[in-house]
Amino acid sequence: QVQLQESGPGLVKPSETLSLTCTVSGDSVRSSSYYWTWIRQPPGKGLEWIGYIYYSGSTNYKPSLQSRVTISVDMSKNQFSLKLASVTAADTAVYYCAREGLMPRRIDPWGQGTLVTVSS
Amino acid sequence: DIVMTQSPDSLAVSLGERATINCKSSQTVLYTSKNENYLAWYQQKPGQPPKLLIYWASTRESGVPDRFSGSGSGTDFTLSISSLQAEDVAVYYCQQYYSTPITFGQGTRLEIK
Repeated sequence: QVQLQESGPGLVKPSETLSLTCTVSGDSVRSSSYYWTWIRQPPGKGLEWIGYIYYSGSTNYKPSLQSRVTISVDMSKNQFSLKLASVTAADTAVYYCAREGLMPRRIDPWGQGTLVTVSS
Repeated sequence: DIVMTQSPDSLAVSLGERATINCKSSQTVLYTSKNENYLAWYQQKPGQPPKLLIYWASTRESGVPDRFSGSGSGTDFTLSISSLQAEDVAVYYCQQYYSTPITFGQGTRLEIK
């Protein structure tokens, strides 16, 4: 059974960098069959795809976030990570990591999510 | 970006009755050379991550009850629940994967009448 678990600070100050890690079990981030993806959901709102990393190290980010986002992978720990720079209150959200198929690009499974609040 | 618009925003249906949720994309998500619609549906219950229900617009994910069905093509899609159960109370999202970035509808909240 594939499981993903997000970890990282729940509170980040404005203008600082949000950093989260996703630990994968039951599958490998070395797999060529999937993308490893980050998605966020502001409280009470809808879902926003942030981007993914592929085992090769290639990445694809939402254009409106591209200047601030970095997704990386640590194969030795079977983890992938999200960094979002220069955060504002608008970046307050539940952040999910997930596995995304190559095609169809269905997203399954998802981690439980972690709330990150941007506040001084 | 492809904009996904769901209707209605919220819906109340009696137990055992049919629920229908609509999703419209701002441009086609039908990949004509493969004759496949690049559309998925998800269910999100309170405090939980979304759960994949349907992909290719009409293919149920393994383990999803057959009361859930998807239909439509091009820009107009429907998720139907044939006989609403109490455990179906949730917010439902459509998602397109025709182009990057992947985008989701705003969600439809389904409640019991």
